[in-house]
Amino acid sequence: EIVLTQSPTTMAASPGEKVTLTCRASSSVSYMHWYQQRSGTSPKLWIYETSKLASGVPNRFSGSGSGTSYSLTINSMETEDAATYYCQQGSSYPPKYTFGAGTKLELK
Amino acid sequence: EVQLVESGGGLVQPGRSLKLSCAASGFTFSNYYMAWVRQAPKKGLEWVATISTSGSRTYYPDSVKGRFTISRDNAKSSLYLQMNSLKSEDTATYYCARLTQQWSPYFDYWGQGVMVTVSS
Repeated sequence: EIVLTQSPTTMAASPGEKVTLTCRASSSVSYMHWYQQRSGTSPKLWIYETSKLASGVPNRFSGSGSGTSYSLTINSMETEDAATYYCQQGSSYPPKYTFGAGTKLELK
Repeated sequence: EVQLVESGGGLVQPGRSLKLSCAASGFTFSNYYMAWVRQAPKKGLEWVATISTSGSRTYYPDSVKGRFTISRDNAKSSLYLQMNSLKSEDTATYYCARLTQQWSPYFDYWGQGVMVTVSS
């Protein structure tokens, strides 16, 4: 079973600051997906297939990576970006999906 | 607009059963794999069950296999989760989610979630 490890667990960033969140897989995966979950709300697909932004996601966000190392980057932190971000990988055959433990991003 | 609306949550005693429902709208329900994902209080996300488009194939992680059953009614655009022999560790918010069944699947739409509390 593939384990996803996210780092840091928690971080704080100031408005305008560049932010990078990391997700490492215990074995190589083809793609990584990312979700944003603001406090008290359901998760939203944020980045899929490593680098594609979901509908409505601001272009200050980007995703990259390959193999066992993936990242989500915010070019310039904004207030609304404060949330918990989860990475996720999946397989089709058999269907199985794993989430990382999440990175809580706070506003400094 | 895609909408997923869960219902059926509540407080239940350990060992008892509960059935969750999810009403889908805004897309052709029968064309999509669907899933349930849960989140224990202050914890991360955990996949619970997946069902194929026709309902003929279902998949579960070991943590719920044999206790939970996912099903669907395509005529009603509805998804269900029958939960039996509930344990305290099943306490969580349960989300209905639509799956995009690619080489590496992901959950592209989520419901608002429904809370299940297992306690005596």
